[in-house]
Amino acid sequence: GAGVSQSPSNKVTEKGKDVELRCDPISGHTALYWYRQSLGQGLEFLIYFQGNSAPDKSGLPSDRFSAERTGGSVSTLTIQRTQQEDSAVYLCASSARDWNQPQHFGDGTRLSIL
Amino acid sequence: AQSVSQHNHHVILSEAASLELGCNYSYGGTVNLFWYVQYPGQHLQLLLKYFSGDPLVKGIKGFEAEFIKSKFSFNLRKPSVQWSDTAEYFCAVTHSGSARQLTFGSGTQLTVLP
Repeated sequence: GAGVSQSPSNKVTEKGKDVELRCDPISGHTALYWYRQSLGQGLEFLIYFQGNSAPDKSGLPSDRFSAERTGGSVSTLTIQRTQQEDSAVYLCASSARDWNQPQHFGDGTRLSIL
Repeated sequence: AQSVSQHNHHVILSEAASLELGCNYSYGGTVNLFWYVQYPGQHLQLLLKYFSGDPLVKGIKGFEAEFIKSKFSFNLRKPSVQWSDTAEYFCAVTHSGSARQLTFGSGTQLTVLP
């Protein structure tokens, strides 16, 4: 597609439930990133995928968070046993290469935990 | 840890006024610098970027930014703002020590009064 596609655009769920967020990067982009945008914390890096390399998970806030990227394209961010503090907008970005190409962002998934 | 500081949290200007938004970063090595903009209800969009070369970079919509290495700054400027420039502006950095993820400033909300 023309840009980074994320789904769902909005997700409301009860505390304790698991959620899956999906990201479809720009075709041909090998690098994929997840960020979180929340009040009081701003924009925070979560995880990074580059090709077939092991992902950089250094930004994941707890072991309830995980992500995978299948076939070097679509990525899924999973949050288990959601907590109210997980409420945020989850942003996905992709780039052609990580160091010298800008990242292009999707519209995000607004996650609300009741 | 590297940080990015945006000192102005909320700026209010009248149309045709000049704009300068401050951005300072703490990392001393090689950096790539970015300004992103988020219009209401839209995704993050790249305004401009600096990788190397001329420290004065021009972006879309009449914006420019100047990289001053000695001051660790990358301030955003526009000579005459328009009501349509109302948005949140984020300064961001990638650096050679951790080349992958963007580190964002806290953002500056710009409101332009018609």
